[in-house]
Amino acid sequence: KQEVTQIPAALSVPEGENLVLNCSFTDSAIYNLQWFRQDPGKGLTSLLLIQSSQREQTSGRLNASLDKSSGRSTLYIAASQPGDSATYLCAARRVTGKLIFGQGTTLQVKP
Amino acid sequence: NAGVTQTPKFRVLKTGQSMTLLCAQDMNHEYMYWYRQDPGMGLRLIHYSVGEGTTAKGEVPDGYNVSRLKKQNFLLGLESAAPSQTSVYFCASSPMGAPPHNEQFFGPGTRLTVL
Repeated sequence: KQEVTQIPAALSVPEGENLVLNCSFTDSAIYNLQWFRQDPGKGLTSLLLIQSSQREQTSGRLNASLDKSSGRSTLYIAASQPGDSATYLCAARRVTGKLIFGQGTTLQVKP
Repeated sequence: NAGVTQTPKFRVLKTGQSMTLLCAQDMNHEYMYWYRQDPGMGLRLIHYSVGEGTTAKGEVPDGYNVSRLKKQNFLLGLESAAPSQTSVYFCASSPMGAPPHNEQFFGPGTRLTVL
């Protein structure tokens, strides 16, 4: 059974700092892995999707990596801004298309 | 193009009451999903549908029923609400096809409180 874990549950950093969010999964037979952002009281916004054959994906200040052999993915945020404050969720996608979500990391970037 | 919409946005029920949550999508997607999100638990799949007239159980289906009478709508029903069903409910839809072409698009959520 696929389990997805995100550590830490919460993170607070000063503005401008580079940071890494971690996501681990137990079953390496994933099709791809996706990172989402969720603002308080809102739905999910897709940030990055990494195929199982890829090592990383980049979008602006965000960079996501994937290491299937070790069951890990990281989301790197460069030069963090207060507007980056949100909950970040990772989800592993099975071949069937079903998503298995982690619990999320709540990020606060202080001005 | 509204994407995925959910009705209502908020609801408070008493234990034992029933209600239906409505999800609608205008992207002609084949697949639709209902998730619940609880603190510290991430999103968990309740039920899903791979096409009009078909439904299937997800990870946590007990206490819920669903119907997909029209392709664009996916209804989630609670026949007898319990406090354990207090949660935020998200609907998602995706086109048919192999990943990543079946990327899921999420609605804004419904916040349900059962007293």
